[in-house]
Amino acid sequence: GQNIDQPTEMTATEGAIVQINCTYQTSGFNGLFWYQQHAGEAPTFLSYNVLDGLEEKGRFSSFLSRSKGYSYLLLKELQMKDSASYLCAVITRGGYQKVTFGTGTKLQVIP
Amino acid sequence: DAMVIQNPRYQVTQFGKPVTLSCSQTLNHNVMYWYQQKSSQAPKLLFHYYDKDFNNEADTPDNFQSRRPNTSFCFLDIRSPGLGDAAMYLCATSGILAKNIQYFGAGTRLSVL
Repeated sequence: GQNIDQPTEMTATEGAIVQINCTYQTSGFNGLFWYQQHAGEAPTFLSYNVLDGLEEKGRFSSFLSRSKGYSYLLLKELQMKDSASYLCAVITRGGYQKVTFGTGTKLQVIP
Repeated sequence: DAMVIQNPRYQVTQFGKPVTLSCSQTLNHNVMYWYQQKSSQAPKLLFHYYDKDFNNEADTPDNFQSRRPNTSFCFLDIRSPGLGDAAMYLCATSGILAKNIQYFGAGTRLSVL
């Protein structure tokens, strides 16, 4: 099976940088997604990593180390609207590409 | 414009009364998923369709069924809802040409009275 670990909650200050970590143990790893989910809403796609290294997209960056089973999401210049849960999701090979979600990290941005 | 549409957004049903949730997509993706998400928990995959092929997760209760009459539509049927089935139900789609990124609908929040 898959095991995905993320911190449950984090708090950061508006304008600052925050790093949300995700570790995983899985077989047949085939990539990793990060999703943002505001309370009561559906997850929205943020980033996709399949190779080691950093993927940058505006204020959001995501890093992957396959050998360490580790990823992080980096959010820069935090805004109040970034308060949300951030879900790490691991993709595994199979007849189709199965996605397993972590429980998410609830980020609170404070003034 | 919404690409994955779920109806209704809120559904109230009675204990034991069958209920159907619907999902439609304009992305022409070949895979459609149904997830159950309870408060502060990860989305839990119930089943998915790869084209017309239905794939059930091993721990999905028999109470949950699904239909996909065509590429665009997929339905979740809960035959006899219990209080424990109250949750957000999320539909998602993915396509090979879209890097298998899953695109979610806004969800249907189900209450069971």
